[in-house]
Amino acid sequence: KAGVTQTPRYLIKTRGQQVTLSCSPISGHRSVSWYQQTPGQGLQFLFEYFSETQRNKGNFPGRFSGRQFSNSRSEMNVSTLELGDSALYLCASSGVTHTQYFGPGTRLTVL
Amino acid sequence: AQKVTQAQTEISVVEKEDVTLDCVYETRDTTYYLFWYKQPPSGELVFLIRRNSFDEQNEISGRYSWNFQKSTSSFNFTITASQVVDSAVYFCALSGNSGNTPLVFGKGTRLSVIA
Repeated sequence: KAGVTQTPRYLIKTRGQQVTLSCSPISGHRSVSWYQQTPGQGLQFLFEYFSETQRNKGNFPGRFSGRQFSNSRSEMNVSTLELGDSALYLCASSGVTHTQYFGPGTRLTVL
Repeated sequence: AQKVTQAQTEISVVEKEDVTLDCVYETRDTTYYLFWYKQPPSGELVFLIRRNSFDEQNEISGRYSWNFQKSTSSFNFTITASQVVDSAVYFCALSGNSGNTPLVFGKGTRLSVIA
């Protein structure tokens, strides 16, 4: 089976812009979760989608949003980018075993 | 609230040495799941093991072994005869009783294996 894929792998944006990241889960997995990884805060949960519905949400401002499509692919959007949004954004998918398998991540740099 | 503590920030060993990475967790759930992930320099988190709270059997997979002790809320990871390819950041994580709850990660332990 192909693993979790994320696009793009690298992004450079400027403050105030918005960005959309994409995640394709492992075939058959219906749950997609997003995490932010920074040197200071470590790995923090953003949100989780299951069958196109947000099932869990972390403690992030409303500038961070996401959605899931009927084919389980997911996107996350960050609006009005701030310098502190520079991070590695990791997507994970899980199936019936609830084990989360991660993609390679999107490294976002905000200038 | 759930919490995972990995007290060792960085460990450096010489190749072929054994090394143990510590993980201590806190949770009020009676059913929970513990995980270890490896993050090589490429950035991707690689799943290593999942253990549920009812299964305290230790597990061995090749050079890797895990020791789960509910009495001390610990889930330690040992690499036997370490190799340079083991160099990475290792994360311990915890999820709650339904298995669908988000992962709570420790801060990670950076392991450097020197040839």
